[in-house]
Amino acid sequence: DAGVIQSPRHEVTEMGQEVTLRCKPISGHDYLFWYRQTMMRGLELLIYFNNNVPIDDSGMPEDRFSAKMPNASFSTLKIQPSEPRDSAVYFCASSLMAGDWYEQYFGPGTRLTVT
Amino acid sequence: AQKITQTQPGMFVQEKEAVTLDCTYDTSDQSYGLFWYKQPSSGEMIFLIYQGSYDEQNATEGRYSLNFQKARKSANLVISASQLGDSAMYFCAMRGPTYSSASKIIFGSGTRLSIRP
Repeated sequence: DAGVIQSPRHEVTEMGQEVTLRCKPISGHDYLFWYRQTMMRGLELLIYFNNNVPIDDSGMPEDRFSAKMPNASFSTLKIQPSEPRDSAVYFCASSLMAGDWYEQYFGPGTRLTVT
Repeated sequence: AQKITQTQPGMFVQEKEAVTLDCTYDTSDQSYGLFWYKQPSSGEMIFLIYQGSYDEQNATEGRYSLNFQKARKSANLVISASQLGDSAMYFCAMRGPTYSSASKIIFGSGTRLSIRP
């Protein structure tokens, strides 16, 4: 399997622009997670989906952030308008809940810089 | 509420020595799971080891073992015979009961491990 795929790997944009991050989970996985990692706040869960349905979006910072999962093989995280404080590494992870435990497989991350 | 605490921001260890990375947790759930992830300088997150709250044996995966002390709510990672490639950031994580649709993984702040040759 190719693992979790994220694109782009790096994104540099100007404040006020719309940014869309993409994720393809591992085939067959039924959970998808979006995380943000910064030096100040560490690794934060933004939102997660189960079977394409958003379960918990309490970590989404504000209305500028939105996430969708139109099908089992694709998800997007959109920031509109972007701000310099959104600069971070954004990880997508997927997992398959089996039995009593599950392991999240992380993508390589998207490094976002907003100037 | 669940909480993960890693009190060691950074550690230096001599190559080939064993190293213990501390992790304590807080939860009111009876069923939970504990994980360790490694993040090298390249940035990817690599799963290392898992321990379920009902597992009686400490989890082991090659040179990694998890010292699970349930009464003390600690889940320390032990790396035996450390190697230069072990230099990385290490995160302890916990998930809640799998029967809960709101079950999700929370991460500690991490420990940066540096191995000296």
